[in-house]
Amino acid sequence: GQNIDQPTEMTATEGAIVQINCTYQTSGFNGLFWYQQHAGEAPTFLSYNVLDGLEEKGRFSSFLSRSKGYSYLLLKELQMKDSASYLCAVRDTNSGAGSYQLTFGKGTKLSVIP
Amino acid sequence: NAGVTQTPKFRVLKTGQSMTLLCAQDMNHEYMYWYRQDPGMGLRLIHYSVGEGTTAKGEVPDGYNVSRLKKQNFLLGLESAAPSQTSVYFCASSYELAGEETQYFGPGTRLLVL
Repeated sequence: GQNIDQPTEMTATEGAIVQINCTYQTSGFNGLFWYQQHAGEAPTFLSYNVLDGLEEKGRFSSFLSRSKGYSYLLLKELQMKDSASYLCAVRDTNSGAGSYQLTFGKGTKLSVIP
Repeated sequence: NAGVTQTPKFRVLKTGQSMTLLCAQDMNHEYMYWYRQDPGMGLRLIHYSVGEGTTAKGEVPDGYNVSRLKKQNFLLGLESAAPSQTSVYFCASSYELAGEETQYFGPGTRLLVL
């Protein structure tokens, strides 16, 4: 099975930078996704990593190290609207949920304060 | 283009009652998924479908049945609801199973079983 760990809660100041970590264990790694989920809403896609390195998309960046089973999501120039839960999801070629299915972490609730 | 829609948005059931949750997508996606999301548990896959007429079990399939009679619809059924099935249910769809294409989520159905 898979084990995906991410911090439960984080708080950061408007305008600052925050890094949300995700560690995972998998037998057949096939990609890692980050989603944003505002309270009461559906998850929305932020980023995808399958090779080692940094992927940058505007204020958001995501990093992956497959050898370490580690990823992080970096949010720059934080805005109040970034207050949300951030979900790390790993795809495994043969997960407990089925072939090539996503297993989600429990999410990190980020609060941005003035 | 409505994306992924779910019906109903909210429902209250008594223990033992049955109901069907409907998911529809207009993106011509081959793959569809049903998740449940509980506090402190993250998103967990219930069942999924890799095409019209096919379904497969996910991580937590017990107590649920699904059908994919039409490509655009994916139904989730609860034959005899239990309080443990109180949750928020999300449907999702995707164009491909692997690769960088993300899953697109519906707005969710909040189910309360008394």
